[in-house]
Amino acid sequence: KNEVEQSPQNLTAQEGEFITINCSYSVGISALHWLQQHPGGGIVSLFMLSSGKKKHGRLIATINIQEKHSSLHITASHPRDSAVYICAVCGGSNYKLTFGKGTLLTVNP
Amino acid sequence: DAGVIQSPRHEVTEMGQEVTLRCKPISGHNSLFWYRQTMMRGLELLIYFNNNVPIDDSGMPEDRFSAKMPNASFSTLKIQPSEPRDSAVYFCASRFRTSPTDTQYFGPGTRLTVL
Repeated sequence: KNEVEQSPQNLTAQEGEFITINCSYSVGISALHWLQQHPGGGIVSLFMLSSGKKKHGRLIATINIQEKHSSLHITASHPRDSAVYICAVCGGSNYKLTFGKGTLLTVNP
Repeated sequence: DAGVIQSPRHEVTEMGQEVTLRCKPISGHNSLFWYRQTMMRGLELLIYFNNNVPIDDSGMPEDRFSAKMPNASFSTLKIQPSEPRDSAVYFCASRFRTSPTDTQYFGPGTRLTVL
């Protein structure tokens, strides 16, 4: 069983909809990262969380350490948000990330 | 800064051939990571360097894989001999410090196909 579980695996939305992607993990962590991977493969780091909530533009990421759960929200979704969103946790070491399998988001115009 | 640079971007080779992937991290970053991404297994850490020293190579699949970092601005990942199951996208990433809260900056990846 993967230590990092994401849901849903696939998500299709209409432009303008509010999107939520979930990440659950089973180990104690020092940090959680949300990454974005566009078609063509480039990976970009969106957020790093160790507690609470962060906001960047239309993206919001939250984490609940007690429940071992994080969510990534996209408000007013746009076709350019179409990508794979990957959750990754840093556990007992200061460097090793364990990755979820990713959520494929498609936003239709 | 140009970001993390990887070459080649695509590599097609035949089984048994040697493959060398190259990475130039962001200047000033002291941590470097090699990852492999496949459909089945997602992203996996292969090896981690800190200050040019390999710290964790437990993710390297087998002896056919080797990685070096001769200086702070260059790293290689070599597969010899290559096999079809090595087909994947290989990413290099660098980070400024050793803190888990620091952002990792990924290169564009090398798509390797072994026939």
